[in-house]
Amino acid sequence: AQTVTQSQPEMSVQEAETVTLSCTYDTSESDYYLFWYKQPPSRQMILVIRQEAYKQQNATENRFSVNFQKAAKSFSLKISDSQLGDAAMYFCAYREQTGANNLFFGTGTRLTVIP
Amino acid sequence: DSGVTQTPKHLITATGQRVTLRCSPRSGDLSVYWYQQSLDQGLQFLIQYYNGEERAKGNILERFSAQQFPDLHSELNLSSLELGDSALYFCASSPGQGLSYNEQFFGPGTRLTVL
Repeated sequence: AQTVTQSQPEMSVQEAETVTLSCTYDTSESDYYLFWYKQPPSRQMILVIRQEAYKQQNATENRFSVNFQKAAKSFSLKISDSQLGDAAMYFCAYREQTGANNLFFGTGTRLTVIP
Repeated sequence: DSGVTQTPKHLITATGQRVTLRCSPRSGDLSVYWYQQSLDQGLQFLIQYYNGEERAKGNILERFSAQQFPDLHSELNLSSLELGDSALYFCASSPGQGLSYNEQFFGPGTRLTVL
């Protein structure tokens, strides 16, 4: 079964600094998708960034980028120039490319941004 | 705003009761997913429907059932409610099966409190 592990329950970062959130996963598949979702206090689940496993290039979305290490089954999220609005729970998620399309989530990392 | 709507926003009920949660997917999306977010279990996939048919089942209890109607809206029925069923229930929608990307868009959730 696919499992997603986020080993950092809580992280904090100074405003304008950079922080990296860790995620590892376990799968026997070669093709799959990885995602980072943000859940602010409003509880809305917001997609931050996605990565296709067949792509070697790391995904980037403005201040958000990932470090995807397929062999190590690692998928970390880097937030640059952190802003107060980045404070939220961040969930790493995995999805198979074929078959069931549901997401498997990690347990989340609560990010605090210090002004 | 993801385009996915869920009603009601909040629901408070008593043990042993039955409730129905409703989800309207984004216009044109054929797949609907239900997820449960609880403090002890995290975010878990419950069930998926595609164009009216059940496609995948996750950790859904026998007391829970769902369906997707011809207009593609979906309902999640929870019966014989227990205290442990208190959680945030998310609906997500995506364009459909077999597409290369198939991003899931989450609704705002229904907060269920069982007293």
